[in-house]
Amino acid sequence: GAGVSQSPSNKVTEKGKDVELRCDPISGHTALYWYRQSLGQGLEFLIYFQGNSAPDKSGLPSDRFSAERTGGSVSTLTIQRTQQEDSAVYLCASSSKTLSLGYTEAFFGQGTRLTVV
Amino acid sequence: GQQLNQSPQSMFIQEGEDVSMNCTSSSIFNTWLWYKQDPGEGPVLLIALYKAGELTSNGRLTAQFGITRKDSFLNISASIPSDVGIYFCAGIIQGAQKLVFGQGTRLTINP
Repeated sequence: GAGVSQSPSNKVTEKGKDVELRCDPISGHTALYWYRQSLGQGLEFLIYFQGNSAPDKSGLPSDRFSAERTGGSVSTLTIQRTQQEDSAVYLCASSSKTLSLGYTEAFFGQGTRLTVV
Repeated sequence: GQQLNQSPQSMFIQEGEDVSMNCTSSSIFNTWLWYKQDPGEGPVLLIALYKAGELTSNGRLTAQFGITRKDSFLNISASIPSDVGIYFCAGIIQGAQKLVFGQGTRLTINP
C-alpha cells in the first residue's frame, strides 16, 4: 500500500480480555517496529522485526505481550489478559532496510488507540 | 530507559517567531530523525540526517547532526499556526538497530 496501515484505529476492551493489533507495512519494507505511546508521552520501543524474525524484543513490557510477522509483511501485536495500564496508542513503523545501515527512514501508521476498561 | 534528552518540553510562542529545540545523548548516533505528530495521528518524518555536521533544510525547517554525533537541533523559522504539534527527535545508536525517541517538544502558537 501507499503507507503503513494499522487496524483497528480504536479498540475498547474489557480488562482480562485478549486483543490483537494489526500492522500492514509499506510494500517491500523489510524492517517493522512497534511502539507504545501513553497519553502525552513519548514513544516507547516494544519490538523490532527484520523480515519474519525479531532481533530485538527488549521493549515488550511483560510476557502478556507478543508479536509475530508472517511473509515478511503483516505483523500482529497480541496482548493477553489486558490490564488498564495497557491503555495507550500502539504505533507501527516500517523502513526499507535495517536502520543501522543508515540511509533510510522509518514511516509510521496512524496508530491503534487501545482503551482497557 | 530514555536515552535521548529533548528540550524544551513545551514552547509557547507568537506567530512569526522562530523556534529552536534540541536533543542530546551520552551515546553516539548514526542517524538523527525529526518527526512531527498531530493529535490522533502517527508521527510524520520531517528531516533525516545521516552524517556528523550535516545541516539540512526542508522549507522553513532546518536541522543539524551534531559534530560529536551526540546531539541534534531543529529550527523552525517564521512559525505559522499549522506548526502547532509535538516534535520528536529520534535516532539510531551506533551498533543498534532500533529507533529511540526523545520525550517530545509540544509547540503552541498564539496568533
